[in-house]
Amino acid sequence: DQQVKQNSPSLSVQEGRISILNCDYTNSMFDYFLWYKKYPAEGPTFLISISSIKDKNEDGRFTVFLNKSAKHLSLHIVPSQPGDSAVYFCAAPGGTSYGKLTFGQGTILTVHP
Amino acid sequence: SQTIHQWPATLVQPVGSPLSLECTVEGTSNPNLYWYRQAAGRGLQLLFYSIGIGQISSEVPQNLSASRPQDRQFILSSKKLLLSDSGFYLCAWTLVTGGGYTFGSGTRLTVV
Repeated sequence: DQQVKQNSPSLSVQEGRISILNCDYTNSMFDYFLWYKKYPAEGPTFLISISSIKDKNEDGRFTVFLNKSAKHLSLHIVPSQPGDSAVYFCAAPGGTSYGKLTFGQGTILTVHP
Repeated sequence: SQTIHQWPATLVQPVGSPLSLECTVEGTSNPNLYWYRQAAGRGLQLLFYSIGIGQISSEVPQNLSASRPQDRQFILSSKKLLLSDSGFYLCAWTLVTGGGYTFGSGTRLTVV
């Protein structure tokens, strides 16, 4: 039972353009969602989050949109930079206790100069 | 400030050999601790979590075990490694239920 899904395994964009990474979820009770960024051979780092009571959260070049009716969230990166090339994971609380997070499969973003 | 240490960074082990990966957290007390694995081409899979010393919960049946002998120490072990145990192992911590994680730098395990 995969509660958080990222259906696009990879995305390739040109530097300066917009990157849009998508995530779908099945549990309408999730309180919040997070995006993590991961470089090869490193641990993921927190990027941005959004509460379920909001539909948008912005932090610099990164904006996360939440569409609760569609159970869909997306991460927009504008403008994209080569240094943004990484694997991006969306995540949601994985259960009712102990702070577990359920992660999507990840999307590999490649930004070409 | 809080930091998380995970070692070794890379490990190549033969099938059937034992495994011990260690994770320690500094600068905090009573963290929730987690072991995740990222297999090739796969997402992050939660293996174990711990809310206190000696308290371990397993998410998936497997060839691995975990222990928490001290408040800020989390150990991942195996008595006999399988080829399928290869992957990138990540330790993470959080202080409060519902918070985001801080991940360690990971261990790349290759079982040959």
